[in-house]
Formats: sequence, structure tokens, C-alpha cells
Amino acid sequence: DTGVSQDPRHKITKRGQNVTFRCDPISEHNRLYWYRQTLGQGPEFLTYFQNEAQLEKSRLLSDRFSAERPKGSFSTLEIQRTEQGDSAMYLCASSLTGGYTFGSGTRLTVV
Amino acid sequence: GEDVEQSLFLSVREGDSSVINCTYTDSSSTYLYWYKQEPGAGLQLLTYIFSNMDMKQDQRLTVLLNKKDKHLSLRIADTQTGDSAIYFCAQSGAGEYGNKLVFGAGTILRVKS
Repeated sequence: DTGVSQDPRHKITKRGQNVTFRCDPISEHNRLYWYRQTLGQGPEFLTYFQNEAQLEKSRLLSDRFSAERPKGSFSTLEIQRTEQGDSAMYLCASSLTGGYTFGSGTRLTVV
Repeated sequence: GEDVEQSLFLSVREGDSSVINCTYTDSSSTYLYWYKQEPGAGLQLLTYIFSNMDMKQDQRLTVLLNKKDKHLSLRIADTQTGDSAIYFCAQSGAGEYGNKLVFGAGTILRVKS
């Protein structure tokens, strides 16, 4: 197991387009988290899954954002009708009982 | 509400000790964490401390927790140029499931050779 994988590493998209990111957690981890990090800031919580159930969502997660974890393994984060303010690093993390392991993130640039 | 504050920048000479400070607001946090982030990379967990502990030492890293003042510090002994990075303090949140982390804005550590 090579840790938490995120794909793609970088994404440049035009404003108004939809984008989807993928996260593959560590295989035995049942908890999966999405965070967003903008320049000069710490990561901000977006949403949390336990197995396939989405148990908590931040108010940062507007109607344009949706996350899924259909089989309790990998997860996707989709942003519809992207805006320039969506430009950020999107980080995925997984855990079993406590400490998180983060992926390297997907850097989104909306032009 | 939950809030974590850190100083923005610290510059030290190679071989010196570095001390990075953090204050937090949520006294119900079970764990407090220190993460390291190098340019273009994700976050690496350095160490964590349980809220009923005062101190934790792990090789060159020493974490001190003052629960009364809600103050957390990370001391790096014999700082090396490879320690140059952004360091984030985080507290476990008091959300419904208590699993989310609330991060500070990060402290940039610059190590001069």
C-alpha cells in the first residue's frame, strides 16, 4: 500500500466547467475526509465519510460541490460550474481510528 | 467556535532549536497535532499529543501542552535545512462526530545554513 493517492495532481479548467477529483484511501481505512487549502492558509474541512456514508458536511460545501464514496473505498469530489474562487489545493485524508494520512492533493486552477 | 492561531514566520540557524507556538480555543479537543508541509506536497503528521498529557518527546521533537492557557508548542532540536517547511497546528473538532481537524494558518520555518 502506497498511502493515500489523489488524481489528478493538477487541473486547470475554464470557469463554468465541471471537474471531478478522485481519492484512493489506504485500503483498510474506513474514514475518508476532504479538505480545501488556499494559499497561505491551513486546510479547511469540507466533508467526512465513514465507509460509504457521508456523515458530515461543512457549510463551505456549496450546492455546486458533491462528494461520493459509493463502495466505501475510493471517493470522488465534483465541482460543478467552477468559479475562480474554487482555485485551491483539494486534499484527501483517510484514517482508521485516529491520526490522518493525507494525500498529496489536487491543485485546481480556474481560469 | 473553533479557532487555531499560529505565528506566521520563524527563521533559525542550522543547529539551533526552533520553537513554534500555537493557541487554540476548543478546550474539549481530545488530540492536538503538528503537521509538516513541504512545497507542493500534502501534509505529513509529525506528532500528536493527547489532551491529558503535558509533554511528549519523539526524537528531535518535543511537544508541550498548557491546557489551562490552551497553548501548544513544538520544539525542534538541532534544526536542519531539511526542516524548512510550513508547520501546522491542528485540534480535533467538536463537531457531531468529533473527527474533523481544525488547522491554524501555518508557521513558515526557514532554516539558514
